[in-house]
Amino acid sequence: DQQVKQNSPSLSVQEGRISILNCDYTNSMFDYFLWYKKYPAEGPTFLISISSIKDKNEDGRFTVFLNKSAKHLSLHIVPSQPGDSAVYFCAATSYSGAGSYQLTFGKGTKLSVIP
Amino acid sequence: DAEITQSPRHKITETGRQVTLACHQTWNHNNMFWYRQDLGHGLRLIHYSYGVQDTNKGEVSDGYSVSRSNTEDLPLTLESAASSQTSVYFCASRLTEWVTEAFFGQGTRLTVV
Repeated sequence: DQQVKQNSPSLSVQEGRISILNCDYTNSMFDYFLWYKKYPAEGPTFLISISSIKDKNEDGRFTVFLNKSAKHLSLHIVPSQPGDSAVYFCAATSYSGAGSYQLTFGKGTKLSVIP
Repeated sequence: DAEITQSPRHKITETGRQVTLACHQTWNHNNMFWYRQDLGHGLRLIHYSYGVQDTNKGEVSDGYSVSRSNTEDLPLTLESAASSQTSVYFCASRLTEWVTEAFFGQGTRLTVV
């Protein structure tokens, strides 16, 4: 059973507009969430994270929102740029319980920013 | 600069052969991981290590083994390569269990024919 779900395999957005990437999780023990960005033929790189004690974290054009009651998080990119075109992975981890400290990844969403 | 490197970047092997993929990091990180990436599955954890002489099975460990004899290296061995193990393999490391951000290598594309 997939614990971290990214239900949109792909997303296309016009340059300058907002990109919203969604992620849902099922394991209530998850208490820290991360987004990774991956370009073709490269390894994933860390983008932004959020602790379960927060509901929002910003870093420049990137903002992650966490809704614990809905077990949902989203990554907002504003404004979107062609260089943002990549696969985005949502990941989650727990500091307690079974599987503690491991990163569990979603399947990824391929974002295409159209110039 | 400190880094994490994987070798080889590409490999083709035959079914039944033993294959070892190398992972080397120079950050002195305690934790190291191996993932595989497949279309429709995202990144799945194969094995991980939280320190020297420590190894643990991940979600998809069957057919794979690792050993951790020093801090810098976590080689991944496919005991008898199968076509189902054709994939892109990523090694990652992070300082400790309490630091969640992990750094990834550039990946090894393995094809089993």
